[in-house]
This record gives sequence, structure tokens and C-alpha cells, in this order.
Amino acid sequence: NAGVTQTPKFRVLKTGQSMTLLCAQDMNHEYMYWYRQDPGMGLRLIHYSVGEGTTAKGEVPDGYNVSRLKKQNFLLGLESAAPSQTSVYFCASINGQGASRNTEAFFGQGTRLTVV
Amino acid sequence: KNEVEQSPQNLTAQEGEFITINCSYSVGISALHWLQQHPGGGIVSLFMLSSGKKKHGRLIATINIQEKHSSLHITASHPRDSAVYICAVSGSGGSNYKLTFGKGTLLTVNP
Repeated sequence: NAGVTQTPKFRVLKTGQSMTLLCAQDMNHEYMYWYRQDPGMGLRLIHYSVGEGTTAKGEVPDGYNVSRLKKQNFLLGLESAAPSQTSVYFCASINGQGASRNTEAFFGQGTRLTVV
Repeated sequence: KNEVEQSPQNLTAQEGEFITINCSYSVGISALHWLQQHPGGGIVSLFMLSSGKKKHGRLIATINIQEKHSSLHITASHPRDSAVYICAVSGSGGSNYKLTFGKGTLLTVNP
């Protein structure tokens, strides 16, 4: 049971390049999230998904796209990277199932992205 | 939208001291989470609670639902406790899948 796995862990991009971050969870969780963490700003929600095939915008969605084609994977795409997207990105998942709708959150190890 | 405030923002302590970090929120929640992040590291869930008190080793978390307030206590602090501690809340009802985060408390424990 690996929990939540993010790849890659580090990446440097040139302005205008594209990339995809992968988040994979093996806990059969319904809810998955992508956050960015910037100094002094805390964690801000980019996009989230409440189930396979569904996605929704969070607080700071501009410049990002997501897909959840399989329940265990949540992909975050940057189509044309900008220096303002330099950040640490975290993926998280929550069970959200059952009578208790368990809301314990599990986080990936983070992806440190630099856009130059 | 729930507002989550943590205090203090920064905290420096000597090894062995008793530490308290506070968290307050503005609207009803289904659960409150305390998270730990070591410098350059990932985020680990320490506690999830919706009432009362939980204890894990030297860490204790309490919540007062009526006052919309939670505290994280560390007894006999140690340099390895140095980290950012983040409070987060899950919304109530249909929004219980949404987490709102505080900005974190940077704890430094000196030997």
C-alpha cells in the first residue's frame, strides 16, 4: 500500500513548455485534489475531483487543466508554463465513502516545479 | 467560505518545553485536521478530529466545536519536532470533501 504517489518530484521547465504531473493513489479514494504551496500563501486548491470522470475548479485554476480518467489517477497539466507557476505542488486524496464519509486526508510528497 | 486562522505564525522553543499552537475557524465543519510538514518535505496527517481530544505519543489535539477553536500541544518538545504545523478544516454537509487550510505555524525547537 503506497498511499499517494506523485511524479515527478522535481522539474525545471522553460517558459511556454508543457508538462503533466501524475498523482496516483491505491486506497480506492473518491476525492482527489491538486494544491500549490507558495511562501506566505499556504496551500491553495487548483482543481479537484469527487469521482472518476469528474473534475472541478478550485481557487486558482487558471493555466492548469486536469483529468481523472481512472479512479486511482489524477493528472495535472500545464499547457504553457509561466514563471508564476513556479511552486511546490501537492496532490491529496480523501476516502469520502461510507456512512461516516471519512475525510482523513493523505498527501503526496510534492513536486517542486521551477519555470525559468 | 471558511476562514482558518493559526497562531502564532512562528514559534521558537527550547528542547523540553511544552508547545501550544492554536487554530480558529469561522463556520461549521465536519472535521479538523492537523498536518505536519518538515522543511522541504511532504505533508503528513497527524490528527483528524471532530470533537473532544486525541493523543498520539507526545502530541495532543483538542477541539471546541462551540468556540470553533482547536489546539495542538506538544509535550517535552524535541528538535525533531521542528516543522511547519498546518491546521485544515473539512466543510460541513455537502462540502465535507473541501479542505480549507491555515497558513501554518513554523516551529523551531532548539537543543
